[in-house]
Amino acid sequence: KAGVTQTPRYLIKTRGQQVTLSCSPISGHRSVSWYQQTPGQGLQFLFEYFSETQRNKGNFPGRFSGRQFSNSRSEMNVSTLELGDSALYLCASSLRDGGDTQYFGPGTRLTVL
Amino acid sequence: GESVGLHLPTLSVQEGDNSIINCAYSNSASDYFIWYKQESGKGPQFIIDIRSNMDKRQGQRVTVLLNKTVKHLSLQIAATQPGDSAVYFCAENGGYSTLTFGKGTMLLVSP
Repeated sequence: KAGVTQTPRYLIKTRGQQVTLSCSPISGHRSVSWYQQTPGQGLQFLFEYFSETQRNKGNFPGRFSGRQFSNSRSEMNVSTLELGDSALYLCASSLRDGGDTQYFGPGTRLTVL
Repeated sequence: GESVGLHLPTLSVQEGDNSIINCAYSNSASDYFIWYKQESGKGPQFIIDIRSNMDKRQGQRVTVLLNKTVKHLSLQIAATQPGDSAVYFCAENGGYSTLTFGKGTMLLVSP
């Protein structure tokens, strides 16, 4: 089975721009979660989707949004980029919900200049 | 909110030694814990998990111990190899696939 895939792997943007990141979960997995990883804050939960519905959201501003499609693929969007948004954005998928193991993709490295 | 923390930021061991990485958690209601390994440039890789109705679980060369009384989690790696060098995170599942991660411990294995 193919693992979680994320595109693009690397991205460079400038302040004020917006960005869309994509995640394809493991086949059969219906839950997709997003995390932000920075050296200062570590791994922080952004949001989680299941069956196209956001079930939980972390403590991030409204500039961070996401969605999930009927095939469980997910995208996250960051608008009006700030320097502090530079991070590794990780996507994880699991079968259903919290009791299931989450498997991570390789991440998208976003650099905001 | 609740948090998961690690006692040691860096652990240096010799190849062949056994390694122990510790983690303290604060949410006594947590019922599912996971250890991940993250190598440079990669996403976290699942190592082993444990549910709160267990106090020990073994995998290949790894053992996770859970002490609910003191809210402590540990990962033991037997016969540590250079390929085990990475950052190790413990995480607790807060429901709806919401993981709260510790800050991580870097394991350095010298040949």
